[in-house]
Amino acid sequence: TQLLEQSPQFLSIQEGENLTVYCNSSSVFSSLQWYRQEPGEGPVLLVTVVTGGEVKKLKRLTFQFGDARKDSSLHITAAQPGDTGLYLCAGVVGNTPLVFGKGTRLSVIA
Amino acid sequence: GAGVSQSPRYKVAKRGQDVALRCDPISGHVSLFWYQQALGQGPEFLTYFQNEAQLDKSGLPSDRFFAERPEGSVSTLKIQRTQQEDSAVYLCASSLVQGATAVTEAFFGQGTRLTVV
Repeated sequence: TQLLEQSPQFLSIQEGENLTVYCNSSSVFSSLQWYRQEPGEGPVLLVTVVTGGEVKKLKRLTFQFGDARKDSSLHITAAQPGDTGLYLCAGVVGNTPLVFGKGTRLSVIA
Repeated sequence: GAGVSQSPRYKVAKRGQDVALRCDPISGHVSLFWYQQALGQGPEFLTYFQNEAQLDKSGLPSDRFFAERPEGSVSTLKIQRTQQEDSAVYLCASSLVQGATAVTEAFFGQGTRLTVV
């Protein structure tokens, strides 16, 4: 059983469109992170959220942590080809090491 | 370099062969993590070091997997008698912060892609 479920698994959109990807769990997380991973590279941290209901913005990316700290979403406005990659959510439950979801593979077509 | 360095970048091993994967963390980083990422999956935790002490090895899939960090800096992940299901990208991450949750402030290397044929 996957602790963190990400959806959709794959997403292909045109440049300029908006999109939202989701990360859901039945567990409560003390913190949750979003990473982007490009082919042949390790994951790169985008944001960490720790407070239920928290919203963080990073340029065209908006991250939200659910009130109950069990889910999160990533919204991208006016997607660009440079946004293409694998988006991973990862969370900490108690004192356990970071657990990753399977990721959403995003392709933005020019 | 300034980042986490892993070598080799690619390794092809015949089934049954032993392999050793190296991780050079960022200088001064106390915590070091190994993750395994199979094709189409997210990274899965293997083991965690704080300095030279291996504090958590709960993610190692079998006793064929062994990791060490003898001087609290460079780490090696060794896989004995490799099998096809060991094919994956092996990621190393290091953090200045102590504790298993230090991975939340860790930097990842580019990974070693292991293919067992």
